[in-house]
Formats: sequence, structure tokens, C-alpha cells
Amino acid sequence: NAGVMQNPRHLVRRRGQEARLRCSPMKGHSHVYWYRQLPEEGLKFMVYLQKENIIDESGMPKERFSAEFPKEGPSILRIQQVVRGDSAAYFCASSPSTDFYEQYFGPGTRLTVT
Amino acid sequence: GDSVTQMEGPVTLSEEAFLTINCTYTATGYPSLFWYVQYPGEGLQLLLKATKADDKGSNKGFEATYRKETTSFHLEKGSVQVSDSAVYFCARAAGNKLTFGGGTRVLVKP
Repeated sequence: NAGVMQNPRHLVRRRGQEARLRCSPMKGHSHVYWYRQLPEEGLKFMVYLQKENIIDESGMPKERFSAEFPKEGPSILRIQQVVRGDSAAYFCASSPSTDFYEQYFGPGTRLTVT
Repeated sequence: GDSVTQMEGPVTLSEEAFLTINCTYTATGYPSLFWYVQYPGEGLQLLLKATKADDKGSNKGFEATYRKETTSFHLEKGSVQVSDSAVYFCARAAGNKLTFGGGTRVLVKP
């Protein structure tokens, strides 16, 4: 059973460009979470999604950030008009519907904004 | 609000030394508690968990006991190895999500 997959692993964007991060949950998992880890800090929750629904986006910045988890395909975290402060590691996690606290993390996407 | 506080690192130890990483949480309800480990360049891996008071989670020689009276979930290992060098995160369940502490970097020297 493959784990949570994220791509790309490393992404470099210039200021003002768009960044698109993908996450494929573990097989059988219907809950997806996105977290951001700034350098030398812990993970901060961003958004929690189920298929075609955003359940909790209380950790998402109000502007430029959006997330989706379509019926088919991976979950996408989109950051428009990136700024240097968006440079971070973005981790996706998934959980089964039976225990959404048992979250399995992907390897992360390290975004660098130049 | 819900929060987790853990001791700051880095913690530097010699091989076979005893490791303790302190973790305390805010006491809103009776949350499930977790320890995650992050090896260099990798994502987080669930190390152990406890879901109710007095539960002890254990895995790979690590242990942590859910102490409701002190709102703590300290991580311990009796004899560390170089391969235990990593960043350790304490976390609590909070609504739909996990709230993490700031992480503790552990460096084990041969």
C-alpha cells in the first residue's frame, strides 16, 4: 500500500508566479489535510478536505491560497502570486474516515520563492 | 485555544544515554495525544499515540504516558542510538486537525 504521495518534492518559483502542489492520499483514505512548516518551526494546520468538500480552512491565509480535493485525482494546494514569505515546506496528510486523528504524512513539497 | 508546548532543542546526547522530551498541552477536553518524528529531508512519521488518560503509547523503544493531572505527554527512551537523531513533534487532536508543538531537534553522537 503506497503511502501519501506529494509532488513535486521541490518547487522553485519567482515572486508573482503561481505554485501548484499535489497530494495523493493513501489508498482508502478520504480525508486530506495540508500543513505548512516554516524554517525551524512546527507544522501549522492550513486546511482539511474531503472529496469535493472543504471542511475546515481556518488555517488558510485569506488571500492567494486555495485548496481542492476533486472527485477524481489528487488534492491541489494553489498559491497565487507567491511572495518570499511563502517559502516553506508544505506537507499533506491523509487519514481514514474511521480515525481522522491517525494522520499519515507525505514527504512534503519544499517551495522556494526567489 | 488549543496549544502544545514542548522543550526547545537542540538536545545533544551520547549513544546509549537516556532521552526525555517534555510536552504539555492545554486542557480543553480529553484530546488524543501524539508524538511524530521527522528525519532529515522527510515527512513526519507517527511514532506513538495515546487516546485517554493513563494510556501509555510505545514504539521502537520510545514511550509516553498521558498524564491528565499534569496535562503532559513526555517522550522517553532509555538508550538512544545515532539513528534516533531527528526532530520530534508532540501533537494533540483539536477539532478536525492536529495542533503541533514547535519540535525538538535531537542529535545523538557516537
